[in-house]
Amino acid sequence: EAQVTQNPRYLITVTGKKLTVTCSQNMNHEYMSWYRQDPGLGLRQIYYSMNVEVTDKGDVPEGYKVSRKEKRNFPLILESPSPNQTSLYFCASSFVGLSGANVLTFGAGSRLTVL
Amino acid sequence: AQKITQTQPGMFVQEKEAVTLDCTYDTSDQSYGLFWYKQPSSGEMIFLIYQGSYDEQNATEGRYSLNFQKARKSANLVISASQLGDSAMYFCAIDDYKLSFGAGTTVTVRA
Repeated sequence: EAQVTQNPRYLITVTGKKLTVTCSQNMNHEYMSWYRQDPGLGLRQIYYSMNVEVTDKGDVPEGYKVSRKEKRNFPLILESPSPNQTSLYFCASSFVGLSGANVLTFGAGSRLTVL
Repeated sequence: AQKITQTQPGMFVQEKEAVTLDCTYDTSDQSYGLFWYKQPSSGEMIFLIYQGSYDEQNATEGRYSLNFQKARKSANLVISASQLGDSAMYFCAIDDYKLSFGAGTTVTVRA
């Protein structure tokens, strides 16, 4: 089944304890991205990657790191989490369809709480 | 300035009726794409419909249609014959040089 898999789905951690949220896709998509969803703010892009070894900042990159060493994987790293990073996180990958649309396939989401 | 504005935080609609979700956007690009995604209470994000800026006809996908008014920079989603399973949050998004989402509209379908 074509999918984007992210783990963990739920995590409670404490301020300053490094954590990684993994993301893997099996669709051979070149484009991958991370979003955070907060009430009233919709989805905001954290980082994106157009291909292996190519990453760029989105709208809210502060406090996050990413890497793209392989096409299928795009982990999100929080080096020193803070309470304002408590959020619902989505990984997504995409292809450009025949219509020219950059259609995202999302992972199931990772709910992170930082105490 | 907000790239995507969804002015309706929440809406109620009666089952079998149609509902229109508003979306206005802001871009100076001539080439862009507009999307609608659905997020049920289970949390996953589901792609619904796409409209390209050069498409002359409004996009339709089953019960979903996108009312595209380019001059007004408007891309409203119309859901016809609402079903209980349509209760969800709906996000409008624009892809010009990057993808940006609106704050979302929560739709509750009443039996």
